[in-house]
Amino acid sequence: DSGVTQTPKHLITATGQRVTLRCSPRSGDLSVYWYQQSLDQGLQFLIQYYNGEERAKGNILERFSAQQFPDLHSELNLSSLELGDSALYFCASSARDSYTEAFFGQGTRLTVV
Amino acid sequence: AQTVTQSQPEMSVQEAETVTLSCTYDTSESDYYLFWYKQPPSRQMILVIRQEAYKQQNATENRFSVNFQKAAKSFSLKISDSQLGDAAMYFCAYRSALGGGADGLTFGKGTHLIIQP
Repeated sequence: DSGVTQTPKHLITATGQRVTLRCSPRSGDLSVYWYQQSLDQGLQFLIQYYNGEERAKGNILERFSAQQFPDLHSELNLSSLELGDSALYFCASSARDSYTEAFFGQGTRLTVV
Repeated sequence: AQTVTQSQPEMSVQEAETVTLSCTYDTSESDYYLFWYKQPPSRQMILVIRQEAYKQQNATENRFSVNFQKAAKSFSLKISDSQLGDAAMYFCAYRSALGGGADGLTFGKGTHLIIQP
């Protein structure tokens, strides 16, 4: 168990809908990262938050947004969903701006139908 | 932008044998971090080993070791005494040391490792 908790584990929704994925980082970790894993794109970095502030952006679509709350949990909001958004979404956390390693949650499997 | 290439989509090895997974990367930076992550069927991403670019000594974690060739931008993973539990997707990943740590990991496409009993 990495200590990073993601909910829900599975999500099925229709095209055009909006969903929210939730992540609780390891105790004490200030950085939260979101990644998308799909068959065609592989694992892609979406966005990073550090202590409530956005720190870095990767290949995140404009339809997607995220935030980190004062209790350090984070939410990834996906809107106007398309079939191609079906993927495994991972959250990872690390201590401070640690270079050493990020601990991953078990992911949320999103299926858009 | 950095890129990570894993040229072996799939590898197969007999149990108890040794296997090496290849990874090359492209970067103009001199300070960075390299990682191997394992993703078993449970889909959990598990850190296997990490290497700091400024360290010349190759990292080792029990049966896992790396061959880090900075000039060649190569970072291979050697698994000794392969076990059935090693069967998984293995991802090589790069992270810049610049920007105060504000950056995500850049992953390769992965290598599917099969362990033959």
